Order: sequence, then structure tokens, then C-alpha cells
Amino acid sequence: GQQVMQIPQYQHVQEGEDFTTYCNSSTTLSNIQWYKQRPGGHPVFLIQLVKSGEVKKQKRLTFQFGEAKKNSSLHITATQTTDVGTYFCAGHIQGAQKLVFGQGTRLTINP
Amino acid sequence: DSGVTQTPKHLITATGQRVTLRCSPRSGDLSVYWYQQSLDQGLQFLIQYYNGEERAKGNILERFSAQQFPDLHSELNLSSLELGDSALYFCASSVEARGINEQFFGPGTRLTVL
Repeated sequence: GQQVMQIPQYQHVQEGEDFTTYCNSSTTLSNIQWYKQRPGGHPVFLIQLVKSGEVKKQKRLTFQFGEAKKNSSLHITATQTTDVGTYFCAGHIQGAQKLVFGQGTRLTINP
Repeated sequence: DSGVTQTPKHLITATGQRVTLRCSPRSGDLSVYWYQQSLDQGLQFLIQYYNGEERAKGNILERFSAQQFPDLHSELNLSSLELGDSALYFCASSVEARGINEQFFGPGTRLTVL
């Protein structure tokens, strides 16, 4: 079936280190969304990317959408303990009227 | 606070039983989505309703059913419960049907089947 794969599944870093999670689809995406779920919380929308090659920044977070619209990445610079949580990508498959979530990357940080 | 409400917050029941989870979407949102999240798992899409009609189906078991009422609130019914149904169930809402806009998630209902 249509899948959105996300790697790595887990990432542990020292506070201050950078972090990146990657999202890949076998089919072209109309758009991609990123969500963050804090421990014990619910997913919260972070951003949506629509255009091929699009790059958006939110403070220390940088989001990229690939040229072929099949992959995306989220990069966090100089992680802080508040960045702890699970980051999900969600792709809207072209022609399919639903959002497909990746399995998420759980980020833990050593202070 | 996303504006999406879910009740109850916690539910403990026994195998074989039936439960109903309730969700009220954000004001103005016509789409309601249901997701299951097991321990250390991602979000498994179950089903979507848009303005009262079923819009999309995911990995929803036959023992599970859902509906969206005229006032747009939705209920997820889980029957013949098994231990493996223990999970966090999220409801989300969005303004449109095609999944191109952000989804607002409720706080979830934690179901424990003993």
C-alpha cells in the first residue's frame, strides 16, 4: 500500500547537538506536514510544505521538501530539552484523498 | 488547547466488552479522523468522516465502527474487545475533506483492556 517511511525510529542526542529526521515516499506527494508529539501529549501541527524544493524555517527548525516531492526532512539545530518528543511526517499522496503518517522519530536528549 | 475534545480520557474495561469513544471537532471543522496509537507505535489511521459521510477507511477492524452525527461530533465504537486493542485513540479534525490542511488533534482516550 501507499506508505510514508520515516527514519530513524529513535534518536538520542546530547543537548546542543543537531538532529535530523527523514521522510520518504514511493509516490509523489501533494504536500507534506510535520507534527510533534510531546511525551504524554497529542500530535501538534508544526508546518506544511507544498512546493518542490521548498525550505521553511521556524527558529532552530528547518524543514525541506525534496525536488521530486517524494522526500522531506526536519533538522533541528542545537537541540534543547524542550525539543524532546516524537516527530511525525504526514504526506498527502497525489490522487489519494488522505494523509498518510510516517512511523515517527522519537527524540530523546541528554541534558 | 486544539479545540478538539474527546471523552472519556481514560477507559478501563474487560475483554469481550464494547465501548464508545466520543469526539467533538473544532468549531467549523467538517472532517473527523480517528487514529489508534499503541505503545511506542506510530499513528494508525482508522477512518475519516466528512460532514456526516464516511470519507476514507484505513486499518479499521470489522469489530470497530464509527459515525458522525448531524452536529458533527463523532463516535468510535469498539466491540468484542481484545487485549491488543489497548491503545491511545486520537480524534482529529480539519476544515476540509482531502487531507490537505492541518489536522487538529484531541487529547486522546486511553483504553485499557484487561
